[in-house]
Amino acid sequence: DTGVSQNPRHKITKRGQNVTFRCDPISEHNRLYWYRQTLGQGPEFLTYFQNEAQLEKSRLLSDRFSAERPKGSFSTLEIQRTEQGDSAMYLCASSQQGAEAFFGQGTRLTVV
Amino acid sequence: AQKVTQAQTEISVVEKEDVTLDCVYETRDTTYYLFWYKQPPSGELVFLIRRNSFDEQNEISGRYSWNFQKSTSSFNFTITASQVVDSAVYFCALSEALKNAGNNRKLIWGLGTSLAVNP
Repeated sequence: DTGVSQNPRHKITKRGQNVTFRCDPISEHNRLYWYRQTLGQGPEFLTYFQNEAQLEKSRLLSDRFSAERPKGSFSTLEIQRTEQGDSAMYLCASSQQGAEAFFGQGTRLTVV
Repeated sequence: AQKVTQAQTEISVVEKEDVTLDCVYETRDTTYYLFWYKQPPSGELVFLIRRNSFDEQNEISGRYSWNFQKSTSSFNFTITASQVVDSAVYFCALSEALKNAGNNRKLIWGLGTSLAVNP
């Protein structure tokens, strides 16, 4: 399967802990996006990479959030000192220039 | 500002009925893309269609059809002869140009329409 892969699929963590999610995009896609989706809502844009460069970050991405794409391939999204409000589905997508985005199955985070 | 409105929160139909999901958008861009995605209970967003703002031709793909009306800023989605497997949340999205990123774009999403197709 050469689709977008996200790990882990589910994560339960205690408030205050740090978590890291991984996204492996479709191999020939140089664009990578992170979105967050809460129940009953559409996805909200978090950040975007073109190759290894992070070109835009949403205001939703507080200082506790950091994303990297060190070699222009896989990406990680880290949340430090998690809060209950961080509970959501975190979606990764990739695309080629000018083409539609393909999404992974997401990582569902629950902060207890 | 760009915005996507899906006025129908939930729709319930009986199998074999036709159903139309509405999408209205707002944008100041002259070039933009519109999308429909399907999100089944498994959670993965499945791409259905992308439409360029310069192409107002309607499109049909099997039981799915899309009606793009630039004059009313609408991009409606019709499922003909619905099936239980069509049950999902359907999202309409609009591409917005990213800052400092040339013509690269991010998606602005509606809140989704939850479609239940009952046997």
